Amino acid sequence: DVVLTQTPPTLSATIGQSVSISCRSSQSLLHSHGNTYLHWFLQRPGQSPQLLIYLVSRLESGVPNRFSGSGSGTDFTLKISGVEAEDLGVYYCVQGSHAPWTFGGGTKVELK
Amino acid sequence: EIQLQESGPGLVKPSQSLSLTCSVTGYTITSGYDWSWIRKFPGNKMEWMGYISNSGSTDYNPSLKIRISITRDTSKNQFFLHLNSVTTEDTATYYCASTALAYWGQGTLVTVSS
Repeated sequence: DVVLTQTPPTLSATIGQSVSISCRSSQSLLHSHGNTYLHWFLQRPGQSPQLLIYLVSRLESGVPNRFSGSGSGTDFTLKISGVEAEDLGVYYCVQGSHAPWTFGGGTKVELK
Repeated sequence: EIQLQESGPGLVKPSQSLSLTCSVTGYTITSGYDWSWIRKFPGNKMEWMGYISNSGSTDYNPSLKIRISITRDTSKNQFFLHLNSVTTEDTATYYCASTALAYWGQGTLVTVSS
């Protein structure tokens, strides 16, 4: 199975600070179809997960544009440009390029 | 608006079977999306368990392949998870979701304990 390694495991941020989360894959996530099935989602405390970014960099409808995704191959990054209080929670990367789908270990974003 | 809702017992005894239902509203499960079961263990680890496609085909995580079955009832717009021979390691919050991950249920905690 593909292993996704997220860093850091915990991130302390102040409101307004820009932060980045890394997701590294044990193998390239470029699918033979030409797409890279690497997505990001957020799980706020007590809530169900919310998709933020799909296919590396595409912003899900309704998600604020302070969220952005980048990367290729095995290295991917989620950036939050100006953390807001509602952004606190656990962020996950997930890959669907290789069966079975696998998840990163999560990054908990908390207030400093 | 597409909504998903899990239901089922919150407590299952070891060696027994776990059965959960996902009820979908606002979208017909035989349309474009496929439908997955995903679980979150204590401590944040997440695992994709398997999916049923809009046409009814299935695919499962090999780690669960001999224990898992995902089926559906199109007349009720529901799909189901069945997991055999559970152990305490199957204690988790279980989510149903569209395979594109755009839509998730609220999750249901299942504890395996005698």
